[in-house]
Amino acid sequence: QSVLTQPPSVSAAPGQKVTISCSGGSSNIGNNYVSWYQQFPGTAPQLLIYDNNKRPSGIPDRFSGSRSGTSATLDITGLQTGDEADFYCGTWDTNLNAYVLGTGTRVTVL
Amino acid sequence: EVQLVESGGGVVRPGGSLRLSCAASGFAFGDYGMSWVRQAPGKGLEWVSGLHWKTGTTLYADSVKGRFTISRDTAKNSLYLQMSSLRDEDAASYHCARHFRTNYCILLDCSVGFYIDVWGKGTSVTVAS
Repeated sequence: QSVLTQPPSVSAAPGQKVTISCSGGSSNIGNNYVSWYQQFPGTAPQLLIYDNNKRPSGIPDRFSGSRSGTSATLDITGLQTGDEADFYCGTWDTNLNAYVLGTGTRVTVL
Repeated sequence: EVQLVESGGGVVRPGGSLRLSCAASGFAFGDYGMSWVRQAPGKGLEWVSGLHWKTGTTLYADSVKGRFTISRDTAKNSLYLQMSSLRDEDAASYHCARHFRTNYCILLDCSVGFYIDVWGKGTSVTVAS
């Protein structure tokens, strides 16, 4: 049972925007930086966002992250069929002294 | 090209042991923190263990503490995960991963930035009698 909660699924039409939430607590999101990953079926995850809102080179600016209080959000604008995947948030948990990952969200393009 | 390739997965009986290996290439292995992350079939990601690049300090998820041991051989550019007392719930694909950890401190108030930037494809562990 993860300490970070995400909605199981979100969906939108091509070109639209989806928002994925990641809810935690004061020992994790509330005090530490958040990262986001995209995972296509049968492949390894890929880093999308780190330190709340930074994008690694090669990640399009359609992907953006933010953090407020004990929650974080990943926005995907201009949704494309190729964006269909599972998305995970992650952050350090100070109480557990461990890296924790969210429950995961499946993005579907209608 | 930066690459992580895992090996050593297989079928093991409950209570048994297994040693996973990860061969790193394309970067200065000894200068980076390394982790293992697992994913049970049809389930989400779970961080299992991490090793600090400089101090060698090791950390574990509560679910594996006392049963798993992470280690590395910088001369061989290799990361290992020794797993013992394996349980049904340890069955998963195990990914080797390169991580970054930074402490951001203002006076005594510190925040941790931790993320994984390189992932291996994984090696599968099945626990079955």
